Amino acid sequence: NAGVTQTPKFRVLKTGQSMTLLCAQDMNHEYMYWYRQDPGMGLRLIHYSVGEGTTAKGEVPDGYNVSRLKKQNFLLGLESAAPSQTSVYFCASSLGGLAGGRDTQYFGPGTRLTVL
Amino acid sequence: DQQVKQNSPSLSVQEGRISILNCDYTNSMFDYFLWYKKYPAEGPTFLISISSIKDKNEDGRFTVFLNKSAKHLSLHIVPSQPGDSAVYFCAAYTSGTYKYIFGTGTRLKVLA
Repeated sequence: NAGVTQTPKFRVLKTGQSMTLLCAQDMNHEYMYWYRQDPGMGLRLIHYSVGEGTTAKGEVPDGYNVSRLKKQNFLLGLESAAPSQTSVYFCASSLGGLAGGRDTQYFGPGTRLTVL
Repeated sequence: DQQVKQNSPSLSVQEGRISILNCDYTNSMFDYFLWYKKYPAEGPTFLISISSIKDKNEDGRFTVFLNKSAKHLSLHIVPSQPGDSAVYFCAAYTSGTYKYIFGTGTRLKVLA
């Protein structure tokens, strides 16, 4: 089992460019999440999904879009990147189901994004 | 408004001694709490959790204490080992919201 994988690991964008971050999990988890981590801010939830075909906004959704077309994949898109989106992005998944969201989240290794 | 606070950005402890990491929260609706450990260039990994109906949970060298009246939880690591050096995040959850709220993290350094 690879667990949760993220691609790419690093990326440098210019302001206004777009990109998509891919998260994949092979644990058959229902729930998936995208976080960003900034110095002194901890982990902040961007968007999440409680099942294939569903998405919902987290704490800091502006400037991002997501899609969950397949259960194992959760994509995070930046349509027009801004320097404020320079951050480390983490994807996570959890079993969901009867536990709801009240279960352990498994995190990917992160994507370091710099927007110039 | 920071609902989950870790007021100590860093902590240094001698190997073999106890490490105590603290976390305060403001939302009384939180009913589940977790601690995660994070090494550089890796994602956070789950360490230990506690339900709001308990005041203590123990797993090997790690114990989490919950004081609901004070809205405070702490993680005790005994004995501390150099491999415990990492950033520790506490996270809080309210059933039905599907969302965890994370603290800002405490960097623990265990000195050999």
